[in-house]
Amino acid sequence: GAGVSQTPSNKVTEKGKYVELRCDPISGHTALYWYRQSLGQGPEFLIYFQGTGAADDSGLPNDRFFAVRPEGSVSTLKIQRTERGDSAVYLCASSLTSPAGTAEAFFGQGTRLTVV
Amino acid sequence: AQTVTQSQPEMSVQEAETVTLSCTYDTSESDYYLFWYKQPPSRQMILVIRQEAYKQQNATENRFSVNFQKAAKSFSLKISDSQLGDAAMYFCAYRFSGTYKYIFGTGTRLKVLA
Repeated sequence: GAGVSQTPSNKVTEKGKYVELRCDPISGHTALYWYRQSLGQGPEFLIYFQGTGAADDSGLPNDRFFAVRPEGSVSTLKIQRTERGDSAVYLCASSLTSPAGTAEAFFGQGTRLTVV
Repeated sequence: AQTVTQSQPEMSVQEAETVTLSCTYDTSESDYYLFWYKQPPSRQMILVIRQEAYKQQNATENRFSVNFQKAAKSFSLKISDSQLGDAAMYFCAYRFSGTYKYIFGTGTRLKVLA
């Protein structure tokens, strides 16, 4: 696609429910990232994929969070037993290669998750 | 640990005037990149300008320019001839060369007054 696409744009869920957030990166981009942006804050790193594998998941806050990228393209961020503190905008970004050097990361419009 | 600080939560500028947004960062690394991203209400982070730390010359992109002071660890963004479309949140970000993690500041909300 022309840009990074994230669906849904907004998601409201009840506390304790399971949610999936989808990211469709720019075609041909091998690197994919998830960031979380809480209200009034800058984005914070969650996880990085190079191809199909999670090269770094050190930013995932706990084991309720999991992400996959089975075919090296679309990625899904999964949150189990959601809590109100999970409410945030979840941003996805992709880049042509690992961004060592000046490879630019392109961001999607994010999914605003609200846990009530 | 690397940190990025934006001390101005909100700034206002009159249309056609110039405004400067401040950013300081802390790192012990010598090879890194600095960025300014714009986030309009659509939420999409848009790259405004990028600076390589090894370059002494300040980066410029049309109406946008930076004042990069490496010794002072300062990286301010100057917007000239401000336009209504410049109104957005602006985030300063740092990335160590060879890594993929961006470290963002808390942002500055820029209002442009007609």
